[in-house]
Amino acid sequence: DAGVTQSPTHLIKTRGQQVTLRCSPKSGHDTVSWYQQALGQGPQFIFQYYEEEERQRGNFPDRFSGHQFPNYSSELNVNALLLGDSALYLCASSPDKNTEAFFGQGTRLTVV
Amino acid sequence: LAKTTQPISMDSYEGQEVNITCSHNNIATNDYITWYQQFPSQGPRFIIQGYKTKVTNEVASLFIPADRKSSTLSLPRVSLSDTAVYYCLVGDETSGTYKYIFGTGTRLKVLA
Repeated sequence: DAGVTQSPTHLIKTRGQQVTLRCSPKSGHDTVSWYQQALGQGPQFIFQYYEEEERQRGNFPDRFSGHQFPNYSSELNVNALLLGDSALYLCASSPDKNTEAFFGQGTRLTVV
Repeated sequence: LAKTTQPISMDSYEGQEVNITCSHNNIATNDYITWYQQFPSQGPRFIIQGYKTKVTNEVASLFIPADRKSSTLSLPRVSLSDTAVYYCLVGDETSGTYKYIFGTGTRLKVLA
């Protein structure tokens, strides 16, 4: 079992561009959550997907959107990138809402 | 939003017991409290999860008082490899929608 895998591991984008990050959940997990972690800060909840629908959402603007596919994998899209979007983006999967979530290694996004 | 606060940092010596407390004054009624360990440039790693009273596993114990407004992670006999940042994670419903809130994080340094 490969656990939670995220791609790419590192990414550099220019202000105003759009980016798509990908996540494959742990086998048997149907719930995927995304977090943003700025340097030296704790992770901030972006949103959670279950059965291909956004189930909960944190305090992030509409520039942040996502998608979950029938195989439970997920994408995080960020439009009109700002310098402040530079962070480690973490994906977590779990078999349901109240069980332990397994995190991937994250995607380090740098906006220049 | 739930304010989940933790001590910023703690120092300990190898072999000692370490207790880290998280205050979560607005935790969602039916939600679990989960603790994670994070090393630099890695995703958080699950340590322990509980709803009330006391939970123990092979690496830690979790103490939760009856009002559930706080929780204490207890690490018995820490070693140098336990040097990391520790986060609590709870759910919050105060804004009318459910969100996951990570604590502010506690940087634990274990000394030889």
